[in-house]
Amino acid sequence: DVQLTQSPSSLPASAGDRVTITCRASQDIIKYLNWYRQKPGKAPELLIYEADTVQSGVPSRFSGGGSGTDFTLTITGLQVEDFATYYCQQSYNTLLSFGGGTKVVI
Amino acid sequence: QVQLVQSGAEVKKPGASVTISCKASGYTFTEHYIHWLRQAPGQGLEWVGMINIIEGSTTYARIFQGRVTMSRDTPTNTVYMELRSLTFDDTAVYYCARDWGRPMYFFDHWGQGTLVTASS
Repeated sequence: DVQLTQSPSSLPASAGDRVTITCRASQDIIKYLNWYRQKPGKAPELLIYEADTVQSGVPSRFSGGGSGTDFTLTITGLQVEDFATYYCQQSYNTLLSFGGGTKVVI
Repeated sequence: QVQLVQSGAEVKKPGASVTISCKASGYTFTEHYIHWLRQAPGQGLEWVGMINIIEGSTTYARIFQGRVTMSRDTPTNTVYMELRSLTFDDTAVYYCARDWGRPMYFFDHWGQGTLVTASS
């Protein structure tokens, strides 16, 4: 099974900051890595799929990169609504799995 | 617009079964797989399994095999998930989510979540 490790688990930041979250896979997953944002008490929202493609309707301040085993999610110009928890998810095989999450806090 | 509307919260005793429904609207039901995921209180996301809406075939995560059944009713655009032999560790919010493609194995629309509480 593919294990995903996110870092950091908690990320202190301020509005307007540029932040980067990392997701490392336990094996080569090519570009089959997706990112979600989850606001408190809400369902997750798809931000980025297949490493670097921004989902329709997602603001341009979100970007993704990486391939193989190392991936990043970058938010350029944090907004108030971005103080949330972020998860990576692999779609390399049908045993789908998630990272442990990164909470972006004020 | 695409909507997935789930059934309401459930409280069940350990050992019991629970069935949750997910009604889809705003798109062609047969064109997208539906997945089920869960999130225990204060924890991360866990994939439970998925159903091919056209064929009705299913794939379940290893840890749920033998204990979960997913089904669909195409005339009503509704998907169901039954989880049996509940334990306290099954207490979680359960989400249905639409697959982006056919399938692509990531999720572009989610239900609002259904809290299942296993309590004696």
